[in-house]
Amino acid sequence: DTEVTQTPKHLVMGMTNKKSLKCEQHMGHRAMYWYKQKAKKPPELMFVYSYEKLSINESVPSRFSPECPNSSLLNLHLHALQPEDSALYLCASSQVLILGQPNEKLFFGSGTQLSVL
Amino acid sequence: KNQVEQSPQSLIILEGKNCTLQCNYTVSPFSNLRWYKQDTGRGPVSLTIMTFSENTKSNGRYTATLDADTKQSSLHITASQLSDSASYICVVSASENTGFQKLVFGTGTRLLVSP
Repeated sequence: DTEVTQTPKHLVMGMTNKKSLKCEQHMGHRAMYWYKQKAKKPPELMFVYSYEKLSINESVPSRFSPECPNSSLLNLHLHALQPEDSALYLCASSQVLILGQPNEKLFFGSGTQLSVL
Repeated sequence: KNQVEQSPQSLIILEGKNCTLQCNYTVSPFSNLRWYKQDTGRGPVSLTIMTFSENTKSNGRYTATLDADTKQSSLHITASQLSDSASYICVVSASENTGFQKLVFGTGTRLLVSP
């Protein structure tokens, strides 16, 4: 199994809603990532978890709250989002946090397309 | 500032033809360079990964080259197929003081293969 599974694939929410994005991998990877990608733009790193601990927060607004319940799961809790937060949210995983070796592939999920109304 | 620039921004070719996509980077210290294929609305899929010492790496009809001296890479697609229509993203790994290898993404080249 070399997949990163994200649910839901599509999500529409209002600015007062609370929703969660889910990500799952069963490759034994100990590093998991959240990226945000606007249309026709490259992915932007949001959060990085290593061994279930938050290692990097790229100054993301608090209306985005990540959670890593165990080594296979990564959630992104959303609350009071703005229309400009509409984007494709990508989850990724790698064997370990440091991606310096050529065999340390970064596997991406298919993403959740989020629309905030 | 670490940057990755790709050209062209978009490209249309006929099915069966070859094409070459370019990537220039100003990332330091350099660790490795990756090419990804991304279909619209989907996550990127890894094509190749190259370190400083590698000049060429192939993956089926995809061949990537790297010139670490000029900080340039190219992705050559041979005998294009309709399914090759996608965005191709060049990603360079930069070492940070923390030891974390941050990935610097290019803006991608959007390729359309026409029948």
